[in-house]
Amino acid sequence: DIQMTQSPSSLSASVGDRVTITCQASQDISKYLNWYQQKPGKAPKVLIYDASNLETGVPSRFSGSGSGTDFTFTISSLQPEDIATYYCQQYDNLLSFGGGTKVEIK
Amino acid sequence: EVQLVESGGGLVQPGGSLRLSCAASGFVVNDNFMSWVRQAPGKGLEWVSLIYSGGTTYYADSVKGRFSISRHNPKNTLYLQMNSLRSDDTAVYYCTGYTVTGPLWGQGTLVTVSS
Repeated sequence: DIQMTQSPSSLSASVGDRVTITCQASQDISKYLNWYQQKPGKAPKVLIYDASNLETGVPSRFSGSGSGTDFTFTISSLQPEDIATYYCQQYDNLLSFGGGTKVEIK
Repeated sequence: EVQLVESGGGLVQPGGSLRLSCAASGFVVNDNFMSWVRQAPGKGLEWVSLIYSGGTTYYADSVKGRFSISRHNPKNTLYLQMNSLRSDDTAVYYCTGYTVTGPLWGQGTLVTVSS
């Protein structure tokens, strides 16, 4: 099974800050990684698919990069509506998720 | 509109059974790999089961031998048959599909296992 190590588990940043979350796979997953945003009581919403593709309708302040085992998710300028928990997910070999990153406003 | 709509959740006693359904529109269940993902209260996302377009199925160790994933072509619907339910199966269950244009998720259906 592929293990996804996501960090940090939580962070606090100011509005306008650049926020970065990383996800490391226990083996090569090529580009088969998605990033999700989840707000309380809601289903996860896909933001980035295949490591770097921005889902239609998602603001351009969200971006993703990486391939192989190391991936990065970035919010270029944190907004109040970005308060949520973010998850990475690999689908190269079955499925597995990172543990999540809870993003709060400082 | 492309969407997945789950149904079938509810309250069930330990040891009981439940079948979840996921109706797809604007999207062919048979042509894509589909999965069920769950989220226990206050916890993260956990993969439960998947079926590839060719029909091969896989299960997480926590549900192997108790859950069964299937699909019905004419109804364009994905199912999850859940037997021998336990309290730790309590969660919101999401149906998901993976296409070349990105993943799709349903809104989720709540399963509560309690006496």
